[in-house]
Amino acid sequence: DSGVTQTPKHLITATGQRVTLRCSPRSGDLSVYWYQQSLDQGLQFLIQYYNGEERAKGNILERFSAQQFPDLHSELNLSSLELGDSALYFCASGTDAYNEQFFGPGTRLTVL
Amino acid sequence: QKEVEQDPGPLSVPEGAIVSLNCTYSNSAFQYFMWYRQYSRKGPELLMYTYSSGNKEDGRFTAQVDKSSKYISLFIRDSQPSDSATYLCAMNNQGGKLIFGQGTELSVKP
Repeated sequence: DSGVTQTPKHLITATGQRVTLRCSPRSGDLSVYWYQQSLDQGLQFLIQYYNGEERAKGNILERFSAQQFPDLHSELNLSSLELGDSALYFCASGTDAYNEQFFGPGTRLTVL
Repeated sequence: QKEVEQDPGPLSVPEGAIVSLNCTYSNSAFQYFMWYRQYSRKGPELLMYTYSSGNKEDGRFTAQVDKSSKYISLFIRDSQPSDSATYLCAMNNQGGKLIFGQGTELSVKP
C-alpha cells in the first residue's frame, strides 16, 4: 500500500458526460501528479500540483482540469467525455526533496 | 522518436533465472531513474530509485545507470513466479514529471 488513495475505483459513463476523480496524497507529500494510462499510449503525464498551485502541465486536454485543495487532496475533472478517454487514471504523490513518486491504485474510466 | 525506449516483450523465463530489463533514453538532462512494477493494471509500485550513474542493489534487485550511454538496466536474480508483472522504467529531472517507457511484460514460469 503506497499510502495514496483514489476514488472511485471504477467509473462507467456515457459520451458527453462529466466525471470527477479524487486523490488523497501520502501524509506529508505536497506534490500531486495525474497520469493517464492507455494501451496504446502507455503512462502519460497530465498535470502536477504543488501545495495548491499548478506547477507543470503535460498533454492534458482542454476538456480536462484539476485542482488541489488546502487539505492537499486533488480532483481531476473530465468533461465532454469521448470514447477515447477510456483509460486508467493514476494519481501519484511525492516531495521535492526526495523526488520519488508513489502511485495510487487508479481509477478505471470506461466511456460508452 | 520516443524519449524513453523499452522493449515491450513479452519476456518469459523459468523460475530461478536472472532477468535483465533495459531502457534507453535520449534526454541527457534526466538525473533520476526509477523502476516500477505493475501487476495487472494495478497502480505502479516503486521498486528502485537511482540518482545519476552507478549501481544500486536491494535484495534480489539491482539497478544500473550508465548516463554516458543513456542506458539503464534492472536485474532480477533468482526470479520467482510472483515477479510476473509489467516492469516500467521512468526518469525525470528534480521534482518533475516522470517519463515512462512502454513497459516490459515479464512471465516467470514455475
